[in-house]
Amino acid sequence: QVQLVQSGAEVKKPGASVKVSCKASGYTFTDYNVHWVRQAPGQGLEWMGWINPNNGGTTYAQKFQGRVTLTRDTSITTAYMEVTRLRSDDTAVYYCASQYYDSSGYCDYWGQGTLVTVSS
Amino acid sequence: SYVLTQPPSVSVAPGQTARITCGGNNIGIKTVHWYQQKPGQAPVLVVHDDGVRPSGIPERFSGSNSGNTATLTISRVEAGDEADYHCQVWDSGSDHPVFGGGTKLTVL
Repeated sequence: QVQLVQSGAEVKKPGASVKVSCKASGYTFTDYNVHWVRQAPGQGLEWMGWINPNNGGTTYAQKFQGRVTLTRDTSITTAYMEVTRLRSDDTAVYYCASQYYDSSGYCDYWGQGTLVTVSS
Repeated sequence: SYVLTQPPSVSVAPGQTARITCGGNNIGIKTVHWYQQKPGQAPVLVVHDDGVRPSGIPERFSGSNSGNTATLTISRVEAGDEADYHCQVWDSGSDHPVFGGGTKLTVL
C-alpha cells in the first residue's frame, strides 16, 4: 500500500535549520509530485512548495522563497524539505503529500506529519 | 494569488445534512478538492474533481461546484464525521495548490 513516512519531531532554536524527510513506498516515486504543507497550531493548511521527483524541478510559495529548499533522492525514494533561519512562528506540523503528475492537482496521500518546535 | 473562503464552523445534528461551502472568484470554472482532517491526524482526501469520491469514502460525501461557490455535502451525518474540512484548488497562474482556511464541523 502507498505510504509516506516522515522523520520524527524536532526542537530547534531560533536561527537554526531543520531538514525533514519523507520516505515514499508503494508507488512509482517519479510519477507523483511531492508537496510540502504546514499547519501552525490551531490554524489551517499552508502550502509551502513542491518538487517534481522526475527532474528535481521545484516551485515555492513566495513567502518561503530563499528560506526553504526541496530536494529528493530517487535511489531511496525520499523527498526532503529544509527550512533555514527558523523563527518561533515556524512552529508547526509539516506534512509531505503526493500528487499524481497528471491529475488536477489534488494530493492523494499524506505523510503522518512532523512537528517542528522552534523555541529558545 | 487566488483566495478561497470557508466559514470557520458548521454545526449539525446527527442524521441531518451538513453543507460546507468554499467561496472563490468564479470558482465554478476551477476543479475543487476536499480533505477531512481529524484532530491529531493528517488530512484525508474525501472528494476530488468537484464531486469524485476516492475508494473507501462513503457515498454520504458528495460535492458540487458552480458560480462562485463550491459545496461539500455530508448526508446522514455521524459523530465520526466531526472534523476540520479543507477545500483546495490548483492556481494555474502561479502553478501551485491553494487551500481554504478550513471549516470545523461539529456534530451536536
